[in-house]
Amino acid sequence: QLQLLESGPGLVKPSETLSLTCTVSGGSISSSSYHWGWLRQPPGKGLEWIGSIYYSGTTYYNPSLKSRVTISVDTSKNQFSLRVSSVTAADTAVYYCARELSSSCHTWGQGTLVTVSS
Amino acid sequence: QSALTQPASVSGSPGQSVTISCTGTSSDVGGHNLVAWYQQHPGKAPNLLIYEVSNRPSGVSNRFSGSKSGNTASLTISGLQAEDEADYYCGSHSTSSTPHMLFGGGTKLTVL
Repeated sequence: QLQLLESGPGLVKPSETLSLTCTVSGGSISSSSYHWGWLRQPPGKGLEWIGSIYYSGTTYYNPSLKSRVTISVDTSKNQFSLRVSSVTAADTAVYYCARELSSSCHTWGQGTLVTVSS
Repeated sequence: QSALTQPASVSGSPGQSVTISCTGTSSDVGGHNLVAWYQQHPGKAPNLLIYEVSNRPSGVSNRFSGSKSGNTASLTISGLQAEDEADYYCGSHSTSSTPHMLFGGGTKLTVL
């Protein structure tokens, strides 16, 4: 059974870089059928897609976040990662990783809360 | 870019049916059949209910169904149950600017 687990600091200072990793178990990140995505949900608000990556390294980003976001993949560790630079309080959210197919998120991680505060 | 438009809330009594709409544009909902619906209970990760407009993943009840007409997609929940009370989100592939995924603002379903 495929499982995804987000990990990383729960507190990041304003202007610094948020870094999270998603570890995939029960399946290979190198599967040719899927993309691997990051999404977020500010407290009490809706979902926002951040971007996704294919195992080959091809990336797709939300146009509104593209200038600050980098997604990378490490197939040897079955992991993919997210970096968001120059964070502000508006980046405070629960961050989810997910397996994508046909522009839909079929499997989700449990989510991890990241708070931006000094 | 603007989010897809969903009603903020809908309600229904047990056993009834409710429909949640999701309105976009020809660059997203109306442009292809890559629309999905998600259910999210408080404090939990979203769960995929419908993908490619009307397909249900394995394990999802057939009480959930999806459809689309023009730029508006719809999720219908039949035979409402108390456990259906949750937030529901639509999502769509978008070709406005670079290819990306777009979400609606979410709809709170209350089972009366």
